[in-house]
Amino acid sequence: DADVTQTPRNRITKTGKRIMLECSQTKGHDRMYWYRQDPGLGLRLIYYSFDVKDINKGEISDGYSVSRQAQAKFSLSLESAIPNQTALYFCATSEGRGHIGYTFGSGTRLTVV
Amino acid sequence: GQQLNQSPQSMFIQEGEDVSMNCTSSSIFNTWLWYKQDPGEGPVLLIALYKAGELTSNGRLTAQFGITRKDSFLNISASIPSDVGIYFCAEEYAGNMLTFGGGTRLMVKP
Repeated sequence: DADVTQTPRNRITKTGKRIMLECSQTKGHDRMYWYRQDPGLGLRLIYYSFDVKDINKGEISDGYSVSRQAQAKFSLSLESAIPNQTALYFCATSEGRGHIGYTFGSGTRLTVV
Repeated sequence: GQQLNQSPQSMFIQEGEDVSMNCTSSSIFNTWLWYKQDPGEGPVLLIALYKAGELTSNGRLTAQFGITRKDSFLNISASIPSDVGIYFCAEEYAGNMLTFGGGTRLMVKP
């Protein structure tokens, strides 16, 4: 099984619909992140969480919300999806300060029509 | 926020050729990272650099931390088809937070 699992892998939804992307990890890491990938723009941080009670906005949090249900689970919601939220979304985990590098999931490709 | 400028945006090369890509920052940082994203997968860490001037290799990959601490280079020697993917530079800030460059998409013609 993958260390960081994202579901669904692909999703097509209509404008205005609410959608949730889920992420679970078996790494035992406290820190979890949601990134969005667009061509030429790299990976941009949406939200991050350093532990179950900690939620922080990233660079592009507008239009998104998150929930940290447990150490292993971090979900991303789009309350009312719009076409410019069409992108590839990645969840990642890390051990925290003093430990280099993140572990990424395989991504969710979201299309809003 | 921090900005990382990565170039080129894309490269289409012949198998066996060497590849070079770079990343520049508007600020000084202490750690440079290079990630590779295979098609349909998430990024995976290739190389981490911790001090100015450092040169580190990982197989056919070599990365350098620029002396000015504002740039880094990644070289791939004798490219093969499985080198295809997107390469990202990243910098660490505020204790384990990462900011990423825009990526270099590498395509290799057999």
